[in-house]
Amino acid sequence: AQKVTQAQTEISVVEKEDVTLDCVYETRDTTYYLFWYKQPPSGELVFLIRRNSFDEQNEISGRYSWNFQKSTSSFNFTITASQVVDSAVYFCALSVETSYDKVIFGPGTSLSVIP
Amino acid sequence: GAVVSQHPSRVICKSGTSVKIECRSLDFQATTMFWYRQFPKQSLMLMATSNEGSKATYEQGVEKDKFLINHASLTLSTLTVTSAHPEDSSFYICSASNSGRRADTQYFGPGTRLTVL
Repeated sequence: AQKVTQAQTEISVVEKEDVTLDCVYETRDTTYYLFWYKQPPSGELVFLIRRNSFDEQNEISGRYSWNFQKSTSSFNFTITASQVVDSAVYFCALSVETSYDKVIFGPGTSLSVIP
Repeated sequence: GAVVSQHPSRVICKSGTSVKIECRSLDFQATTMFWYRQFPKQSLMLMATSNEGSKATYEQGVEKDKFLINHASLTLSTLTVTSAHPEDSSFYICSASNSGRRADTQYFGPGTRLTVL
């Protein structure tokens, strides 16, 4: 069975601080995909990144960076120099090829960036 | 990027009525569409998966007679909440994929907030 854990329910940081959102996943499949989505108060899910299980390279996109560690089954997300607009709920998600595109979402981490 | 729309964005209805929510892929053909439900401050829970031209596959615990899903074309799927009750009030989100069996990016609609009085 697949599972995604986001241990941090809520995080508050002061603007310009760096913040890391943790994500731990479980699967026995060797081919899988990991995702991060942002859900602002408006409700619409915003796709941030997709990473496949064979690519462990870390990725940086502007202020966002992702650290994929298969050895610890983690896919952590770091926002540097946080801004108020980063306030949202962030979901880590997992899908495996053997499950017809079914995406398993983690419980989400609510990030509040205080000015 | 691929765009998925949902209509309506918000609906309020009386208990006992039926509500239809549309999900459209605007610039690609969606072989598979997914319906999720999200209760306040909770994660997204997959309700069903629908493939164009075939019956939807429902997740355990989701009543297929209550949540009717139709995927009549490669760009449109509908979710009908029949005889809605207050406990059906939720945020309903659809997503679409054009990748068939391959685990790939799903493109999400903006969601529909249903309130049943």
